[in-house]
Parts: sequence; C-alpha cells; structure tokens
Amino acid sequence: DIQMTQSPSSLSASVGDRVTITCRASQSINNCLNWYQQKPGKAPKLLIYAASSLQSGVPSRFSGRMSGTDFTLTISSLQPEDFATYYCQQSYSTPLTFGGGTKVEIK
Amino acid sequence: EVKLEESGGGLVQPGGSLRLSCAASGFTFRSYEMNWVRQAPGKGLEWVSYISSSGNTIYDADSVKGRFTISRDNAKNSLYLQMNSLRAEDTAVYYCTRDRSPEEMGTPQAFDIWGQGTMVTVSP
Repeated sequence: DIQMTQSPSSLSASVGDRVTITCRASQSINNCLNWYQQKPGKAPKLLIYAASSLQSGVPSRFSGRMSGTDFTLTISSLQPEDFATYYCQQSYSTPLTFGGGTKVEIK
Repeated sequence: EVKLEESGGGLVQPGGSLRLSCAASGFTFRSYEMNWVRQAPGKGLEWVSYISSSGNTIYDADSVKGRFTISRDNAKNSLYLQMNSLRAEDTAVYYCTRDRSPEEMGTPQAFDIWGQGTMVTVSP
C-alpha cells in the first residue's frame, strides 16, 4: 500500500497568513494526488485534483504543486472560513490512501 | 441539485449485519463510478470500496474484504454497501462518494460529491 505522510498534523495561523501543507508519498504516484477540506461535523470537500487542478467553485487562493513524491497545498491568504482539517489522498492505485490530516486552527 | 443521501446506519452487535443505501439525484448516476469512504470517531478518512459505473469492476480495502459488498442499481439511482460480520473497528461515519469524472476510468479517482454520511456503531 502507498503511504501518505502529511505534515504538519496541526498548525496555528492568523487571517491573511500564507499557509502550506505538505504530503509525501511513499512511492511515485505521478500527479494522482487530491486535496480535501473538512469542517467539523461535515463531509469533506474536494479542493484540488490531479495535484494542481482547482476544483470548480473553489477559491483561487487554494493551489497545489508537486515535486517528485512531495505535494503541497497552499492557501495564499487564510480566510476565516478556511479553518478546518485538510487531507491529501492518492488515487494512483488501490487501496486509495489518505494522509493523516492537518488541522488549521486560529492563532 | 447534485446530491447523495445515505441511509441505513445504526447500532448493531458485533458479528451482525447492516445494509447501507445511497440515493443519488441531480446527475446521471449510471455514468459515474462510486465509492464508500468511512471515518471513525475523531479519526481520519479511510477508503472502503469502489464500483465502476457498469458495476463490473469492484475494489475493496483489505480491512473489509470478504465481509463488505458494494453494489449498485442504476435503474434506481442507488448505491449499496452490505456489511456482514461487523466488528467494533467498523464503527464510523460512512460516506457515499462520487468520482469526479463521468468517464469510466476503471479505478477510483478524486471524489467531488459526498453525502452527509450515516453513522454505524458496532457495540454489544
């Protein structure tokens, strides 16, 4: 199984900050990496697919990049509604696997 | 409105069975690959099962293989998860999800639509 290591597990940031979350795959997954946002008590929401493609309706302050087996999700200017938990997910092979999550909290 | 609505969750004893349903609306259900994803209380996300748009291809996580069966009825716009031999570690919110692309890829991809989830609790 492909392991997805996400870091940090949590972070504190202020509105307006630039935030970067990293996900590392245990082997090459090409660009088969997706990012989700989950708020408490709600279902996850797809933000980025295929490493860097913005899902329809998602604000442009969210972006994704890949470098080898390292992937990053960046929020260019954190907004109040962005405080949530973020998960990466590889879709290169089954079983699909998720990272452990990054909780973004208010500083 | 594109929507997925799960039902069938509840409290069941270890070793028991439960059948989850997911009703799809607002899109051409038969064109999309579908999945079940679960989340144990306070934990992360775990992919459970995938079924192709035709129903001919199925993949399961090792943790549920031989116990859970995913199926679909395209005429009824519905997805199902038959869960047998339930264990305490199956306790979770179960989400029905849609693959983003309407093309049959043959493997699960990114999940663009999620239901609200249904809670399954396995306890004596």
